[in-house]
Order: sequence, then structure tokens, then C-alpha cells
Amino acid sequence: EPEVTQTPSHQVTQMGQEVILRCVPISNHLYFYWYRQILGQKVEFLVSFYNNEISEKSEIFDDQFSVERPDGSNFTLKIRSTKLEDSAMYFCASSEPPGVGIRGTEAFFGQGTRLTVV
Amino acid sequence: LAKTTQPISMDSYEGQEVNITCSHNNIATNDYITWYQQFPSQGPRFIIQGYKTKVTNEVASLFIPADRKSSTLSLPRVSLSDTAVYYCLVGPVYSGAGSYQLTFGKGTKLSVIP
Repeated sequence: EPEVTQTPSHQVTQMGQEVILRCVPISNHLYFYWYRQILGQKVEFLVSFYNNEISEKSEIFDDQFSVERPDGSNFTLKIRSTKLEDSAMYFCASSEPPGVGIRGTEAFFGQGTRLTVV
Repeated sequence: LAKTTQPISMDSYEGQEVNITCSHNNIATNDYITWYQQFPSQGPRFIIQGYKTKVTNEVASLFIPADRKSSTLSLPRVSLSDTAVYYCLVGPVYSGAGSYQLTFGKGTKLSVIP
């Protein structure tokens, strides 16, 4: 079964440093997402990306964050100047275009990158 | 988005059928009901989705009464590997902005006991 892959699985960084989290979405998917989950809390939406631009973003996704699809396969989340409260599990997800049956609405999540800011 | 309420936790013995009910009194006409499963340190995984009546797939069944103000996820004959958090999500399938933003609640932590 096709899957979303994320690298690295764990990342430790010092406060104030920049980090880039990488994702390879499922190849025929056109919608890409980042979510995060702080330990013991809910999964929170950060941003969605379609047709090489951000389509929606949450209040969490401020100027510190950016996303990019640098080539035909990768999707990245960059966090500039990390803060302690950015420590969380970051999940990438992708989905098919709308109208592709009921499964077109299903989001496939990666295994996540655990980011620890020290 | 419609607010959802589901039990914080449930325990079940192996081999039993588990029913997790979710209340969504303010569900809108164009809202669908979707359930995701999350194992520890993994991303959520889609289980099932429905609009009304009953939906069944190889993993679970979803029962939705006529008024759609609640839904019940049914897991037949659970095993230890079904121990996970189960999320009920209610919202439009297509947000209109070219994406399907998912809003997760706290979910129901299901513990399957040997």
C-alpha cells in the first residue's frame, strides 16, 4: 500500500535554530498538509497546500513557519528560529483530488517527526 | 464546525465487540462523519466515513441514525492491536478552499485487555 514517508523520525534542535522537516507524499495525491501534536494533546491542523500554494492555514502557522514543494516529490515544513513550545510530533498528510469517490476525502498521514527543542 | 463529544476512554476484553458513540448535535446538512484511529507515536489513520444509515468496510461499521445527531463506530471482535485512540470528526468533505482540513478532538482512548 502506498504511504507517506517523513524524515527524520526524530530531530533535536537548539532554541533559535532553523529546522526543515521533510515529507514524501503519495505520488498521485495533489493535496498536502502539515499537522502537529504536542505530547498528550490533540492533533492540530497547521497548513494545507495545493497547486504550489497554501490553500488554508491555521492561527498556529505564523511567520515562523513556511512550506515548500521544492520538486515533484518532496514537501517540506520549515520552522525558523525554533522555540521550546514548538516541541511536538509533526505529521505530514496527503490526499487525492476531490471527486475521486469517497476515498478522495481520506487523508493519509505519515509516521511523523518528533521535534524536540532544547 | 459541529462540536463532537465522545467518551474519553473505554476498556474492552479481547474478542468483544466495541461500540464508541459520538454526539454531534449541531451537524450541518453537508457534514460527513469520519472516524480516524491513532496508535501511539503514529499518524492518524482513516477508518470509515459515512453520511447516513450504515456503512461497513473490512475494519469497522458506522451506524448513523436518521437525525444524524450521533454516530456509533463498531469494531467487531477487538484484539490487543486495536488499542488506540479513536477520533470522531464531523465536517464538510470539501472545505471549499481546495483542501480537507481535519479538526481532531481529544478522541476516545480504547484499551483492549487480554
